[in-house]
Amino acid sequence: DIQMTQSPSTLSASVGDRVTITCRASQNINNWLAWYQQKPGKAPNLLIYKASTLESGVPSRFSGSGSGTEFTLTISSLQPDDFATYYCQQFSSYSPSFGQGTRVEIK
Amino acid sequence: QVQLVQSGTEVKKPGASVKVSCQASGYPLTSYYIHWVRQAPGQGLEWLGLINPSSGGGPIYAQTFQGRVTMTADTSTSTVYMELSSLRSEDTAVYYCARARLRAAGPFDFWGQGTLVTVSS
Repeated sequence: DIQMTQSPSTLSASVGDRVTITCRASQNINNWLAWYQQKPGKAPNLLIYKASTLESGVPSRFSGSGSGTEFTLTISSLQPDDFATYYCQQFSSYSPSFGQGTRVEIK
Repeated sequence: QVQLVQSGTEVKKPGASVKVSCQASGYPLTSYYIHWVRQAPGQGLEWLGLINPSSGGGPIYAQTFQGRVTMTADTSTSTVYMELSSLRSEDTAVYYCARARLRAAGPFDFWGQGTLVTVSS
């Protein structure tokens, strides 16, 4: 199985900050990677897929990059609505797997 | 519009089974794979398995749940089911169904609202 490792686990930031979250795969997944945002009590929401393609309706301050085993999610200017938990997910194999999550909290 | 609507909260005793439903609307059920993902309280997302509602072939289950989970589809009602047996307290979680759009394994573009399953004696 492919293991996904996110860092950091928690990130403290202020409104307007540039924020970067990293996700590492245990083997090459090409660009078969997605990022989700989850708020308390809600289902995850797809932000980015194929490592860098922005899902329709997602603000352009979100961006993704990477390929192979190293990926990043960047929020260019953190907004109040962005305080949430973010997960990466590989969908390279028939057994998709998630990172452990990164909680973005108010500094 | 696309919707996945799940069945309601369940409370079960250890050793029992639970069956959660996920009814799709707004698109043909047979056009996309459906996955099940769970989230224990305060924890991350854990994948349980997938089913191709149009396929005569078998679902694919995470190794962790092999032998305990069964996924089925009823195309006449556009509903997918996930049954988990031999429940233990560690199975207490919110269970989600999700639609995979691009490939069999993802990404998950639409999710159900979640079903809380509590296992307690």
